[in-house]
Amino acid sequence: EIVLTQSPATLSLSPGERATLSCRASQSVSIYLAWFQQMPGQAPRLLISDASNRATGIPARFSGSGSGTDFTLTIRSLEPEDFAVYYCQQRSVWPYTFGQGTRLEL
Amino acid sequence: QVQLVQSGAEVKKPGASVKVSCTASGYIFNNFGINWVRQAPGQGLEWMGWINPHNGNRNYAQKVQGRLTMTTDTSTSTAYMELSSLTSDDTAVYYCARGDPSDYWGQGTLVTVSS
Repeated sequence: EIVLTQSPATLSLSPGERATLSCRASQSVSIYLAWFQQMPGQAPRLLISDASNRATGIPARFSGSGSGTDFTLTIRSLEPEDFAVYYCQQRSVWPYTFGQGTRLEL
Repeated sequence: QVQLVQSGAEVKKPGASVKVSCTASGYIFNNFGINWVRQAPGQGLEWMGWINPHNGNRNYAQKVQGRLTMTTDTSTSTAYMELSSLTSDDTAVYYCARGDPSDYWGQGTLVTVSS
């Protein structure tokens, strides 16, 4: 199965700063990578599909890039509500797999 | 609006089975696959499997293969996830989610396995 490795495990930043989260795949997933945000006690929320497409209603400060094995989620200027855990997921090959998550903390 | 509403929390003994339902509304049920994802306490997300309501095609994670059964009832727009031979490692919140990638999620169902 494809292993997704996210880095860093924890990212400590302040509101207004730029966040850069990485997701590396053990083999190519083409562009079939998504990013999710999860707040405590809530279901995950889709942010980015197919590497770079913002989901409906997602603010423009969130952007995704990459293809093949290396992907990046960028949050341009952090808002207080952005502090959460972020997961990447590939849907290129069965079984679908998630990364272990990056905790974005204040 | 699209909604996925899951059944309530369950407490099961080791060796038992659990069946969680996910009732969809606000879209054509047959047009989107359903993924099931679980999250153990304090842990990350784990993909369990996928089912196509239109034709019943399924794909399961190897870790739960043999214990997991996914079904759908198109007459009620409901997906089901049944997991058997439960152990304490199966204690988790179980989510259903629509489509690939999953753009709508259920609220989650806590399954606790304890003697």
